[in-house]
Amino acid sequence: DTAVSQTPKYLVTQMGNDKSIKCEQNLGHDTMYWYKQDSKKFLKIMFSYNNKELIINETVPNRFSPKSPDKAHLNLHINSLELGDSAVYFCASSQDPGRPETQYFGPGTRLLVL
Amino acid sequence: DQQVKQNSPSLSVQEGRISILNCDYTNSMFDYFLWYKKYPAEGPTFLISISSIKDKNEDGRFTVFLNKSAKHLSLHIVPSQPGDSAVYFCAASVTGTASKLTFGTGTRLQVTL
Repeated sequence: DTAVSQTPKYLVTQMGNDKSIKCEQNLGHDTMYWYKQDSKKFLKIMFSYNNKELIINETVPNRFSPKSPDKAHLNLHINSLELGDSAVYFCASSQDPGRPETQYFGPGTRLLVL
Repeated sequence: DQQVKQNSPSLSVQEGRISILNCDYTNSMFDYFLWYKKYPAEGPTFLISISSIKDKNEDGRFTVFLNKSAKHLSLHIVPSQPGDSAVYFCAASVTGTASKLTFGTGTRLQVTL
């Protein structure tokens, strides 16, 4: 029974398209995150939501918009996709935003923009 | 600006020997450090952590050492096992920043028979 799941696992799309990546956690956690791992293997936080409220918003282009319909879901919408958006996107959730060791990561979504 | 650095992209160690993975950081505000393990096609999994008030934390075969003056931490795995073969990420955070983690680029550990 997967704790943090992401769909799709792989996403190949053309430049300029709009796409969404979904994330769901069944751990009952209040906090969820989106990370991006680029081609140089840097894993960087993008957003964090606690109880559906945005608490971390890094310098991410406006084309990226997280949406949290409820505490168990944090979806990532990307508009006007660019080549540089190609990366692996990881969703995570945590029991306590003050305790980073409680973050559980999903398996990642590999996005390739052509 | 890479605030957390893992300068060794890969490491190969024989089974039963010690694996030592290193990590350096530049931001003196970091006060909590973590190691994550990642298998292919999976997300990172928390392994062990250390607060800046300590210089050592041990959990079974895994020990993390922190040298604040050198802004350096290391993960020791003794004895190394084939199942330890994975990518290991060092991460750091500042208390009170809602667990905003800054990661290194990872070190791929290969434990050979």
